[in-house]
Amino acid sequence: KQEVTQIPAALSVPEGENLVLNCSFTDSAIYNLQWFRQDPGKGLTSLLLIQSSQREQTSGRLNASLDKSSGRSTLYIAASQPGDSATYLCAVTTDSWGKLQFGAGTQVVVTP
Amino acid sequence: SAVISQKPSRDICQRGTSLTIQCQVDSQVTMMFWYRQQPGQSLTLIATANQGSEATYESGFVIDKFPISRPNLTFSTLTVSNMSPEDSSIYLCSAGQARNTEAFFGQGTRLTVV
Repeated sequence: KQEVTQIPAALSVPEGENLVLNCSFTDSAIYNLQWFRQDPGKGLTSLLLIQSSQREQTSGRLNASLDKSSGRSTLYIAASQPGDSATYLCAVTTDSWGKLQFGAGTQVVVTP
Repeated sequence: SAVISQKPSRDICQRGTSLTIQCQVDSQVTMMFWYRQQPGQSLTLIATANQGSEATYESGFVIDKFPISRPNLTFSTLTVSNMSPEDSSIYLCSAGQARNTEAFFGQGTRLTVV
């Protein structure tokens, strides 16, 4: 059974520092991995989608890497801002329908 | 990208009653999914809603408790039946075209059962 783990569970950094969020999964047979952002009491906003054949994806200050063989992905957020404060979730797709298996998330606080 | 609208955004319900949550997508999508997020926890898939067929439920979720409809390629509903305080959660609708495409989520329905 696929298990997705995110470390750390919580992270607090001063504004301007780079953020490094980790995601690991136990079964490397994935179709893709997606990073989401969730603000308190809200839905999910898709940040980046990495296909299983890709090594990384970039969007603005965000960069996500994927090492499928070792079951790991890392989300880097450069030059963090207070507006980056949120919970970040990673999820893997392991079936042809596109069902997602989520990690527990990393709660990020960026202090001014 | 797809824009997903969910209604209601929040509700407070009496135990023993039922609530139907609506999910509308601004484009036709192949797959729609319903997730539950219990307080302080991550998302758990309830079921996959296919147009024209019965929904497929994950282990621990049953149709009598969470009936789902998918009448067309842009709309789905999830009903939470005979509610108890343990059903207090955020319920989220998701949509996608296939396994290799981006998944999009609605803003969620925050349900409190008293």
